[in-house]
Amino acid sequence: GDSVTQMEGPVTLSEEAFLTINCTYTATGYPSLFWYVQYPGEGLQLLLKATKADDKGSNKGFEATYRKETTSFHLEKGSVQVSDSAVYFCAPNSGYALNFGKGTSLLVTP
Amino acid sequence: NAGVTQTPKFRVLKTGQSMTLLCAQDMNHEYMYWYRQDPGMGLRLIHYSVGEGTTAKGEVPDGYNVSRLKKQNFLLGLESAAPSQTSVYFCASANTGELFFGEGSRLTVL
Repeated sequence: GDSVTQMEGPVTLSEEAFLTINCTYTATGYPSLFWYVQYPGEGLQLLLKATKADDKGSNKGFEATYRKETTSFHLEKGSVQVSDSAVYFCAPNSGYALNFGKGTSLLVTP
Repeated sequence: NAGVTQTPKFRVLKTGQSMTLLCAQDMNHEYMYWYRQDPGMGLRLIHYSVGEGTTAKGEVPDGYNVSRLKKQNFLLGLESAAPSQTSVYFCASANTGELFFGEGSRLTVL
């Protein structure tokens, strides 16, 4: 099945710093790629997605580009806020079952 | 909009007791999933269903059973609870691509 490798963290940044969370995946065929975010005490929610190579997903200032040649979908944000503190999950999906990794914990300090 | 609703939200069990977690979705989604989330282990798929009357095993199915008698409901059962099943359980549903999650059910087995 599909699998993902991403840095576990915790990643600690100061407010307004640049964020990159790396994600590489293995999958059969050509999966859709997703980033989910989990705020403290809540379930996961979709942050952004890309469905084909070279697509860029974006939402709330976050961006990620589907790189087929490097099987990567790195998450970036130019200026993080304290409210971005959460756990971020990268997830490829080429079938029925979506497998999530351990996620990356992000803490943004004032 | 209710979305995905999980009941109960909290439960404490003694070893050997049984219980059922209920997941209900009102979005007419075909696919439903049960995950467990543990510190340092990320989100792991227990069982999933691709339609009414169908179920399939995920990554960590042992000790759990599921049923999907109605399209909108997906039940997760523990026949004989063990301390290793102490976790936060998340249900999710989807048609294609994006998963919609419930708020989670925290289960403690003493």
